[in-house]
Amino acid sequence: GAVVSQHPSWVICKSGTSVKIECRSLDFQATTMFWYRQFPKQSLMLMATSNEGSKATYEQGVEKDKFLINHASLTLSTLTVTSAHPEDSSFYICSARVFQLDSTDTQYFGPGTRLTVL
Amino acid sequence: AQTVTQSQPEMSVQEAETVTLSCTYDTSESDYYLFWYKQPPSRQMILVIRQEAYKQQNATENRFSVNFQKAAKSFSLKISDSQLGDAAMYFCGVTGNNRKLIWGLGTSLAVNP
Repeated sequence: GAVVSQHPSWVICKSGTSVKIECRSLDFQATTMFWYRQFPKQSLMLMATSNEGSKATYEQGVEKDKFLINHASLTLSTLTVTSAHPEDSSFYICSARVFQLDSTDTQYFGPGTRLTVL
Repeated sequence: AQTVTQSQPEMSVQEAETVTLSCTYDTSESDYYLFWYKQPPSRQMILVIRQEAYKQQNATENRFSVNFQKAAKSFSLKISDSQLGDAAMYFCGVTGNNRKLIWGLGTSLAVNP
């Protein structure tokens, strides 16, 4: 259980175009999903917290108009990189929060999306 | 604010041997959780082990165990009988009431045959 998928796994786009990345929880419902960005050989940087049915909460320094997040259902969150530029090239990872019966909760991660902007 | 420190950027271990990865953290919250995740070359983040701060008993998952020292705010990961497939980047993380995971910088583990 607790499988998270991401699509696409990699994408190459031209500068100025928009790219949408999907994050799905396959066998559970996730009211909260998280979007991260990871540069090579670095740790994960939290970009935003995505809550189903409400606006995402962005971390300081993350442009909400550039990185649009929509969490329209309990199993799907999307990240749209608008007007992408080469500096947006990175590895984007989503995670979904799972609430256990014993009240603990854990994040399970998607396989990531490698974005290259030419 | 919460912080996580992994003081070993790189570690290596011989196959079948035991290795311990260190992690210290700081938090002002009384209710929090600690995690170790591994990230192999595929870059898929995989949960290794989880520890609830209110539990005194150290968590174990097969060959993986933790040494949780709450007073010292230490949360080290021990990997026993190391296997080639254990080679990966290991990240320590802590989450509190806001459920955001605060990460360490990671430890790259190499397993030598």
